[in-house]
Amino acid sequence: QKEVEQNSGPLSVPEGAIASLNCTYSDRGSQSFFWYRQYSGKSPELIMFIYSNGDKEDGRFTAQLNKASQYVSLLIRDSQPSDSATYLCAVISIRGGSQGNLIFGKGTKLSVKP
Amino acid sequence: EAQVTQNPRYLITVTGKKLTVTCSQNMNHEYMSWYRQDPGLGLRQIYYSMNVEVTDKGDVPEGYKVSRKEKRNFPLILESPSPNQTSLYFCASSLNWVNTEAFFGQGTRLTVV
Repeated sequence: QKEVEQNSGPLSVPEGAIASLNCTYSDRGSQSFFWYRQYSGKSPELIMFIYSNGDKEDGRFTAQLNKASQYVSLLIRDSQPSDSATYLCAVISIRGGSQGNLIFGKGTKLSVKP
Repeated sequence: EAQVTQNPRYLITVTGKKLTVTCSQNMNHEYMSWYRQDPGLGLRQIYYSMNVEVTDKGDVPEGYKVSRKEKRNFPLILESPSPNQTSLYFCASSLNWVNTEAFFGQGTRLTVV
């Protein structure tokens, strides 16, 4: 059973601080990694994807990938109350070498306090 | 507008009464999938489809059926719903299974009494 693990939180940070969200995965063959944001009662929406080791920055968001440690993280700089949501880590898990599917972690709930 | 459309958004039904939740996408995506989301359990994949007439089980397929007769549609069928299928359901589509963004429908909140 391929797994994606996240700390469920809640993670509480003050407005303007850096929020750090972490994720580990069990499938060493995984190549594609995603971070989705989900507001309560809404559908998930993609905020970042990363395929290569290292950092990838997009505005206030930075995704970090370490395939050797099977670890992916998301940093949110200058956190805003509107960032309060559940953040889902997702990994493409390969099945049989010719197909795969998107496996989600259970999500980390982030609360940004004004 | 590119979108994934699910219907209905809300449904209350009784145990054993067959139902279908429809999912349609207008982006010509090959890959479609169904997830259920339950508190504390996260998003779990029910079934997925790599393309027309190609479907396979996800992690929690028991009690569900799917079909993919056309590229744009991927309905989820509950032949005999039970209360443990009460959940929030999401349909998602992506260009392919390898490394592309998944677009989600608005969700269907199903209650089986």
